[in-house]
Amino acid sequence: GQNIDQPTEMTATEGAIVQINCTYQTSGFNGLFWYQQHAGEAPTFLSYNVLDGLEEKGRFSSFLSRSKGYSYLLLKELQMKDSASYLCAVGDSNYQLIWGAGTKLIIKP
Amino acid sequence: IAGITQAPTSQILAAGRRMTLRCTQDMRHNAMYWYRQDLGLGLRLIHYSNTAGTTGKGEVPDGYSVSRANTDDFPLTLASAVPSQTSVYFCASSDSAQGGADTQYFGPGTRLTVL
Repeated sequence: GQNIDQPTEMTATEGAIVQINCTYQTSGFNGLFWYQQHAGEAPTFLSYNVLDGLEEKGRFSSFLSRSKGYSYLLLKELQMKDSASYLCAVGDSNYQLIWGAGTKLIIKP
Repeated sequence: IAGITQAPTSQILAAGRRMTLRCTQDMRHNAMYWYRQDLGLGLRLIHYSNTAGTTGKGEVPDGYSVSRANTDDFPLTLASAVPSQTSVYFCASSDSAQGGADTQYFGPGTRLTVL
């Protein structure tokens, strides 16, 4: 079967760095996405990785290792507004996205 | 408008009633999707459409139907609602011309409660 695993919840301190991990097992691989979802709102696109390595976009970076079926999202200089759920999704062999359940990130002052 | 709109924002529905959730996008995206999101579970694909005039079944299609008469609109119909269809429903679209799994853009969601 297809499976995306990520931690249910993480807590971090304002100004710190946090890494959210995602492991996947899917039929085929057509890219890995990270989305941010604030409570009661729609998911919004953060990053896309299709090749191994690190993609940096401001305070957010995303890493992919296809051989390990592993990705992480790195958030630096955490701000209170970063409190949200972070969703990992993988494109499968049919080009459909398979979604993880999301990691709820709690930022404490 | 810009992006994707959904209507209604929220709805309480009696079991057995028919309900259509509306979704409209103005980005001229080819592909559109309907997901449901339940606590503790990832987004689950209900139905999708890669282009106007075509539709396909996702992971959880039973009890739902869709149509795609034009590029902009992708309504989702519950023929006879049941309490297990209580969920938050998101419509999304993507520009499938990019190839591979494309970035999907989401509407604000419809919160549906079936009693």
